[in-house]
Amino acid sequence: GAGVSQSPRYKVAKRGQDVALRCDPISGHVSLFWYQQALGQGPEFLTYFQNEAQLDKSGLPSDRFFAERPEGSVSTLKIQRTQQEDSAVYLCASRQGSTNEKLFFGSGTQLSVL
Amino acid sequence: AQKITQTQPGMFVQEKEAVTLDCTYDTSDPSYGLFWYKQPSSGEMIFLIYQGSYDQQNATEGRYSLNFQKARKSANLVISASQLGDSAMYFCAMSVTGGGNKLTFGTGTQLKVEL
Repeated sequence: GAGVSQSPRYKVAKRGQDVALRCDPISGHVSLFWYQQALGQGPEFLTYFQNEAQLDKSGLPSDRFFAERPEGSVSTLKIQRTQQEDSAVYLCASRQGSTNEKLFFGSGTQLSVL
Repeated sequence: AQKITQTQPGMFVQEKEAVTLDCTYDTSDPSYGLFWYKQPSSGEMIFLIYQGSYDQQNATEGRYSLNFQKARKSANLVISASQLGDSAMYFCAMSVTGGGNKLTFGTGTQLKVEL
């Protein structure tokens, strides 16, 4: 695709609901990242995939957060039993290789937990 | 651990003037990269410029230049001839070799360009 696509753009969830956020990276990009951005803050790293392998999940805040990229392209970030503190913008980014190159970001999914 | 510090929560600049956005970093890794991203109100993070730790010259990309002072661990962004469309949030970020080269971001600087 032309850029990184994320859906939905906005998601409102009731506390306790499960949500799934989708990321379509740029075609052929090996590396995929998820970031969480709280209001007024910089993005915080959640997890990293190289192809289908999840090589780093050190930023996932709890075991309620789960990410997958089964075929090495589309990725899904799942949050179980959402809580108010999960409210944030979730950004997906991809990169062609695995070395020090720029990341291409999507527009994010704004999650509001009521 | 890596850390990025941006000490200017907000900056104002007049149209056509130059502005410098400050960024300092901390890492013990000798190989790293420094990035600047722009985030307009639409939310997308737009890549502006990159500087590698071993690069001898300061990076430039059009109206953007990066004032890299390795000994001071600073990587300030200079925007020349500011335009109204430059109004946005600006983030400095760093990656280190290994671990997927994930980016660590600062807290950002909100830039407002005025007529």
